[in-house]
Amino acid sequence: GESVGLHLPTLSVQEGDNSIINCAYSNSASDYFIWYKQESGKGPQFIIDIRSNMDKRQGQRVTVLLNKTVKHLSLQIAATQPGDSAVYFCAENKGAAGNKLTFGGGTRVLVKP
Amino acid sequence: GAGVSQSPSNKVTEKGKDVELRCDPISGHTALYWYRQSLGQGLEFLIYFQGNSAPDKSGLPSDRFSAERTGGSVSTLTIQRTQQEDSAVYLCASSLGGTEYQETQYFGPGTRLLVL
Repeated sequence: GESVGLHLPTLSVQEGDNSIINCAYSNSASDYFIWYKQESGKGPQFIIDIRSNMDKRQGQRVTVLLNKTVKHLSLQIAATQPGDSAVYFCAENKGAAGNKLTFGGGTRVLVKP
Repeated sequence: GAGVSQSPSNKVTEKGKDVELRCDPISGHTALYWYRQSLGQGLEFLIYFQGNSAPDKSGLPSDRFSAERTGGSVSTLTIQRTQQEDSAVYLCASSLGGTEYQETQYFGPGTRLLVL
């Protein structure tokens, strides 16, 4: 079936380094993608989104890249900080099917001091 | 301003009992969603309310699950005759619900349900 998935379940990164979290999606009709951050015991927190008519979008210390040719999405975190330690989820919205999101399984990012 | 709130934050119940979970969306948001997150897993869509339209119930796992939204605001998710596999975090989200379907969904902290 259609799914959104992640390549790496756990990413360990040194404080100050850049982090890259990858996500693959299978539905070429998906047109909206979102990255969420979830800290332990909390609900998902919106980080950044991107529409399918874009290849790249930047926020504060974060960049999302979308490669529609290979159906791949990535989240780059610059100068990773201890507060970035969390589980990161990518999600897709299939537009005409309603606004419900399909989530990937999540990647845990561990920042080493 | 206030975000999405959910209550209770934790709920422990016995197998076979009914439970009700409450969600208060962000004021002014007309779209409301329920998701379920099992231990160490991603989020699974359950149900979606948009204004006065009929809800999208396509994600409800069984007829023991139901949800309602009163007055276009507060929503209650009810699980009847709970089973151990219902143990999970139940997350509520809301969005503006405008005509543009690509909307940011804002999540509450969740209700952690444990069925013994």
